[in-house]
Amino acid sequence: QVQLVQSGAEVKKPGASVKVSCKASGYTFTSYNVHWVRQAPGQGLEWMGVINPSDGSTSYAQKFQGRVTLTRDTSTSTVYMELSSLRSEDTAVYSCAVEGYSSGWPAYWGQGTLVTVSS
Amino acid sequence: EIVLTQSPATLSLFPGERATLSCRASQSVSSYLGWYQQKPGQAPRLLIYDASNRATGIPARFSGSGSGTDFTLTISSLEPEDFAVYYCQQRSNWYSFGQGTKLEIK
Repeated sequence: QVQLVQSGAEVKKPGASVKVSCKASGYTFTSYNVHWVRQAPGQGLEWMGVINPSDGSTSYAQKFQGRVTLTRDTSTSTVYMELSSLRSEDTAVYSCAVEGYSSGWPAYWGQGTLVTVSS
Repeated sequence: EIVLTQSPATLSLFPGERATLSCRASQSVSSYLGWYQQKPGQAPRLLIYDASNRATGIPARFSGSGSGTDFTLTISSLEPEDFAVYYCQQRSNWYSFGQGTKLEIK
């Protein structure tokens, strides 16, 4: 079965960067796009970007352009999300999600990684 | 950037009632609209994709309709486990989510 396992919680200072990993299993890693979505405490879902694991091509939400980088390692079936110049408003749960076989929409989600930005 | 506006913000209903949730796009998204359910402490669950297709394993009481800028998620008869927050998402022009509708027990 499809599984996405993310790295553990992080605490960062303002201005620092954070890199969250998402290890995939249960399907052909290079066949489906992986999305990143974040959710601030008590708030809604916010789409950040998507990566095509086959060729590494990416698309980012305008809000995060220049601050977020998605990469992948095909040898370990892992996708990475790096967010730089962190500020307190970036405190949120960051989740990866892979598109479903039949739908093409983000259907399988990781468990989420809490990133706390605090001085 | 396409903005999705969901209404109402909160919907209070009894189990067994019919729920109708709305999602309006700032410009046409054709049929590239999905609906998600999220319960506290859980990841979102894909319910509907491409406006009207039920995702794998989703009960028939969930249905979606609409195209262009106006979309509806209907739950025909609410079960206790349906009370949650619902989000719409578009993928016509990159991706974006609506702000959510909280469906609560009356």
